Amino acid sequence: EAGVTQSPTHLIKTRGQQATLRCSPISGHTSVYWYQQALGLGLQFLLWYDEGEERNRGNFPPRFSGRQFPNYSSELNVNALELEDSALYLCASSLGGNSNQPQHFGDGTRLSIL
Amino acid sequence: SQQGEEDPQALSIQEGENATMNCSYKTSINNLQWYRQNSGRGLVHLILIRSNEREKHSGRLRVTLDTSKKSSSLLITASRAADTASYFCATDVNAGNNRKLIWGLGTSLAVNP
Repeated sequence: EAGVTQSPTHLIKTRGQQATLRCSPISGHTSVYWYQQALGLGLQFLLWYDEGEERNRGNFPPRFSGRQFPNYSSELNVNALELEDSALYLCASSLGGNSNQPQHFGDGTRLSIL
Repeated sequence: SQQGEEDPQALSIQEGENATMNCSYKTSINNLQWYRQNSGRGLVHLILIRSNEREKHSGRLRVTLDTSKKSSSLLITASRAADTASYFCATDVNAGNNRKLIWGLGTSLAVNP
């Protein structure tokens, strides 16, 4: 069974640009979560999508947005990039939004802002 | 301090020794989960322990949960160099009509051959 896949692996942008990160969940998983992990820090929750709808959102500005497609894959968009947006962005999927289900992570997209 | 706070922040041991990491939290939880992250990679789920459970085992891993002290510990026995990684606890808490996971900052474990 294929795991969670994220693309691209690395992304280099400059301040003010826009970035799009993509995630394909494990087949059969309907929930997708996005996290930001800045260097040396823990995971900061960004967004949770389930069945195509945004279910919860972390404490991030509106320039962080996303969506979930009918095939349950997801996109994270970051507008007006700032230097502090440089981080590893992790996507995870689970069977539904029940927190009793473990989350399965991709290897992330490393976003670097120059 | 924040929910799901691990200690120590860093731990260095020799191969074959046991490693113990702790996680403390503030609010009541539905469950607590432990994950491992190898450098630059995604997280891997290790164990989920529910609030009504006190201990769980998985291979060389043992997790305990003390809800009266709002703390959990992860014990890795007979450690190996391959256990070198960061270990995170995540607490499943109620948030309005939803539930969410709150993540700690992790314990960095180095197992020296």
